[in-house]
Amino acid sequence: AQTVTQSQPEMSVQEAETVTLSCTYDTSESDYYLFWYKQPPSRQMILVIRQEAYKQQNATENRFSVNFQKAAKSFSLKISDSQLGDAAMYFCAYRSAEDKGGAQKLVFGQGTRLTINP
Amino acid sequence: DGGITQSPKYLFRKEGQNVTLSCEQNLNHDAMYWYRQDPGQGLRLIYYSQIVNDFQKGDIAEGYSVSREKKESFPLTVTSAQKNPTAFYLCASSIFLGPYEQYFGPGTRLTVT
Repeated sequence: AQTVTQSQPEMSVQEAETVTLSCTYDTSESDYYLFWYKQPPSRQMILVIRQEAYKQQNATENRFSVNFQKAAKSFSLKISDSQLGDAAMYFCAYRSAEDKGGAQKLVFGQGTRLTINP
Repeated sequence: DGGITQSPKYLFRKEGQNVTLSCEQNLNHDAMYWYRQDPGQGLRLIYYSQIVNDFQKGDIAEGYSVSREKKESFPLTVTSAQKNPTAFYLCASSIFLGPYEQYFGPGTRLTVT
């Protein structure tokens, strides 16, 4: 079974600075998808960024980018120019790309609580 | 507006009572999911459904039941057999295959006393 580990329960950063959240995963599959979700105090889960494992290029979405290291099974999230609205729980998630029963379910890490200091 | 609705936002029940959480989506997604979130933990999958009239147990299905009679609806019943039902429950939906994310509803906070 796949597992996802976020080793940083809490992180903090000064507003306008850069922060990196870590995520590692364990899988024997070669084709899969990785996601970062944000959960603000409203508790609504919001997709931040996704990465397809077969793509070598790291995904970017505005101030958010990932460092995807497939061999190391690492998928970190970098937030540049941190803003107060970035304060939230961040979850890393894995999903198999194989079409087998139940393959589409997400496996989540434990989350990292990010605090932005003004 | 397309999206997922969950009702109610807060739900209170006495121990020993069954309770049903509602989840409706108008995104035309085939797959729907129920997750449970406890403090300091990630989301854990309870049940999922890939098509109407079919659903599968997730990692923590004991004490829960679901139905999928319509594409748009995937209600979750928390039965009296669930030992620790107090939690935050999130419903999600997605296109079944491909690199597509799951869209989440706003969640229901269930408190059982």
